[in-house]
Amino acid sequence: QQKVQQSPESLIVPEGGMASLNCTFSDRNSQYFWWYRQHSGEGPKALMSIFSNGDKKEGRFTAHLNKASLHVSLHIKDSQPSDSALYFCAVSMGYNQGKLIFGQGTKLSIKP
Amino acid sequence: DPKIIQKPKYLVAVTGSEKILICEQYLGHNAMYWYRQSAKKPLEFMFSYSYQKLMDNQTASSRFQPQSSKKNHLDLQITALKPDDSATYFCASSQEAGANSDYTFGSGTRLLVI
Repeated sequence: QQKVQQSPESLIVPEGGMASLNCTFSDRNSQYFWWYRQHSGEGPKALMSIFSNGDKKEGRFTAHLNKASLHVSLHIKDSQPSDSALYFCAVSMGYNQGKLIFGQGTKLSIKP
Repeated sequence: DPKIIQKPKYLVAVTGSEKILICEQYLGHNAMYWYRQSAKKPLEFMFSYSYQKLMDNQTASSRFQPQSSKKNHLDLQITALKPDDSATYFCASSQEAGANSDYTFGSGTRLLVI
């Protein structure tokens, strides 16, 4: 049974700083990985996906995947108050037709 | 304009009653899903549908029944409601039900069972 664990549970970062979020997964057959962001009262919104080992950069966001270490991370550069939200890591196995397994989330607060 | 409409936004129900949660998507997607978000728990996959056919069901209880009357609709009927069913229920969709498909989520229906 796939387990997806996120750390830290909560994180406070000063405005303009770097936020680093971590996610570990248990099943080595995991294929596809996403980071979602959820603001209060809204549904989760996909930030970025990463499918291959290494780094993927989209604007201020960089995801890093290491399948051998069962680890995926998200780094947010130049954090803005609007980045304050709940961040989820989600994993797809590759054979289960769209089912995502989510981590429990990291609550990120950006302090002005 | 919201691309996935979930109705109602908030719902209070009495234990033992039955409710239907509505979901419509206007993205032209062929796959739709239901997820549940409870306090202190991760988002949990419930159902996936592709071209109006059930693909996967991870809900242990038969009290939860998805209903797809049209390609862009996937409603969720919940019978014999229990306080433990209190959660926010999210509908989502993707172009296809592939393992690497990008999801779009609705804004959720927050259900409180008293």
